[in-house]
Amino acid sequence: DVKVTQSSRYLVKRTGEKVFLECVQDMDHENMFWYRQDPGLGLRLIYFSYDVKMKEKGDIPEGYSVSREKKERFSLILESASTNQTSMYLCASSFSGVGAGSTDTQYFGPGTRLTVL
Amino acid sequence: AQSVSQHNHHVILSEAASLELGCNYSYGGTVNLFWYVQYPGQHLQLLLKYFSGDPLVKGIKGFEAEFIKSKFSFNLRKPSVQWSDTAEYFCAVGPYTGRRALTFGSGTRLQVQP
Repeated sequence: DVKVTQSSRYLVKRTGEKVFLECVQDMDHENMFWYRQDPGLGLRLIYFSYDVKMKEKGDIPEGYSVSREKKERFSLILESASTNQTSMYLCASSFSGVGAGSTDTQYFGPGTRLTVL
Repeated sequence: AQSVSQHNHHVILSEAASLELGCNYSYGGTVNLFWYVQYPGQHLQLLLKYFSGDPLVKGIKGFEAEFIKSKFSFNLRKPSVQWSDTAEYFCAVGPYTGRRALTFGSGTRLQVQP
């Protein structure tokens, strides 16, 4: 079974703090993703990475950065946390699909519920 | 840019009722389509997916979905729901080539009453 783990289930930070969210997958997946999940808005893509040291902006990258130094690990960084970044953050990973299309099934971690006070 | 619409935000059904959740997407090219489910307190998991071939796709726990290309739709169905199907359901679309990320709908919260 694919396992995607996230460093914390719950996190409380203060406005202006630098926040690191860590994600690790154990299936040698090329692609890794960070989403935020908000009620009524579904999942929105923040950043994704298709290889080590490679990253691409998603739909809502403002206020976030990412780091992927190793294939299995993908970090989301909030440079200066703000209250509007209070949310559930989900990490996912997938293979680069071959044959049946390049968008393969994504496997999700349990999420980190971040509260910024 | 691609987008996904889920028209039902909150659905309440009694056990044994039939379920159909709507999903429409906007994208000009070939797509892969997914339904994910999030049970209370659990992480998102795949319910079913369509890549190619038979447009009627069967997934876990008796769910199925039909891809209708002409309508840009991928509706989820189940003939008889159970209390354990109470969850939030997300439709997602990913392009066949290019950006390898999914675009998700806003989700449908299903509440099944015993």
